[in-house]
Amino acid sequence: KNEVEQSPQNLTAQEGEFITINCSYSVGISALHWLQQHPGGGIVSLFMLSSGKKKHGRLIATINIQEKHSSLHITASHPRDSAVYICAVRSGNQFYFGTGTSLTVIP
Amino acid sequence: ETGVTQSPTHLIKTRGQQVTLRCSSQSGHNTVSWYQQALGQGPQFIFQYYREEENGRGNFPPRFSGLQFPNYSSELNVNALELDDSALYLCASSYSNFYEQYFGPGTRLTVT
Repeated sequence: KNEVEQSPQNLTAQEGEFITINCSYSVGISALHWLQQHPGGGIVSLFMLSSGKKKHGRLIATINIQEKHSSLHITASHPRDSAVYICAVRSGNQFYFGTGTSLTVIP
Repeated sequence: ETGVTQSPTHLIKTRGQQVTLRCSSQSGHNTVSWYQQALGQGPQFIFQYYREEENGRGNFPPRFSGLQFPNYSSELNVNALELDDSALYLCASSYSNFYEQYFGPGTRLTVT
């Protein structure tokens, strides 16, 4: 069993739709990261959070420590949001990653 | 302020050979982590260095080793390459574990 599970694995949305990607983890954590990976491999860190909620532009990340669950929301999705979104957690001296959610936003 | 850079971009090696991958951290960052990402998979944590000391390691055999230098640049060395070592190798730097990581573009290693 993976320490980090993401859902859905794949997601197709129409431009403008509200998108939610979920992440559940089974270990104690000091921080959770949401990452964005475009084709070709480059990874960008979107959020690092340990409690509550953070917002950057159209992206919102929430975490519920008691339920060991985090969500990444994208409001008013756009084709340029098409990428793989990866949830990762730091637990002690370890990092664990989800397998990613592949998002395609259709114009 | 320069970002995280990695070299080389691509590399082809033969099974049994040794390889060294390099990472230059973002200015001021004293923590670097290395990750392996096989095709179609999420990244896997190899190890992390903080101020030249290894302070965390994932489930990788000892033939994966690393170094962090006083200028906080870093190397990943892999001995006795196996076909399954073919992957994208990513490094990421940060001020510490309490700050966001900045990823390099990766090195694509192919082992034949």
